[in-house]
Amino acid sequence: DAGITQSPRHKVTETGTPVTLRCHQTENHRYMYWYRQDPGHGLRLIHYSYGVKDTDKGEVSDGYSVSRSKTEDFLLTLESATSSQTSVYFCAISLTIYNEQFFGPGTRLTVL
Amino acid sequence: SQQGEEDPQALSIQEGENATMNCSYKTSINNLQWYRQNSGRGLVHLILIRSNEREKHSGRLRVTLDTSKKSSSLLITASRAADTASYFCATDEGGTSYGKLTFGQGTILTVHP
Repeated sequence: DAGITQSPRHKVTETGTPVTLRCHQTENHRYMYWYRQDPGHGLRLIHYSYGVKDTDKGEVSDGYSVSRSKTEDFLLTLESATSSQTSVYFCAISLTIYNEQFFGPGTRLTVL
Repeated sequence: SQQGEEDPQALSIQEGENATMNCSYKTSINNLQWYRQNSGRGLVHLILIRSNEREKHSGRLRVTLDTSKKSSSLLITASRAADTASYFCATDEGGTSYGKLTFGQGTILTVHP
């Protein structure tokens, strides 16, 4: 079974500080995704990756950057966190050619 | 912008009743998927229907797809309290959006014992 871990699971930080969230998968799935979930907005795609060092922007990429130096790890960085980035962040991987996605447990980020 | 719009936003039923949720979308798609999210957890994939399919079943789930109306419905039969969750549709547009899903805002289903 595919396994995804996200770290940290909870974080409280202050406006202006950098934050990095980590997503780790236990299998060699090519596609990985970062979403944010906010009330009234459902899930929105931030960035995704289709291979090591291959990434692209999603719907709400402003203020976020990503990196993927190894197949199993996909990092999401908030260079200077703002209160509008308070959200729950989910990592996902694509399991099949039909893009059925498997989600991690989420990271709850609060920016004060 | 959201590709999928779901209706209703919230649905409250009694155990044993059927629950129907609808999803409308705007552009052509390769497939449409339904996911479930229990409170505080990640999304779980339920079922996928391809653009050339009209109906699909999986256990107590029945999904229909009408590409002419750009809409889909998810029916949960004989609902149980454990079905209480949020349900999201997601569309795979393919083409220049290959590899990406666009999610709707979800329907919150509450099943009362």
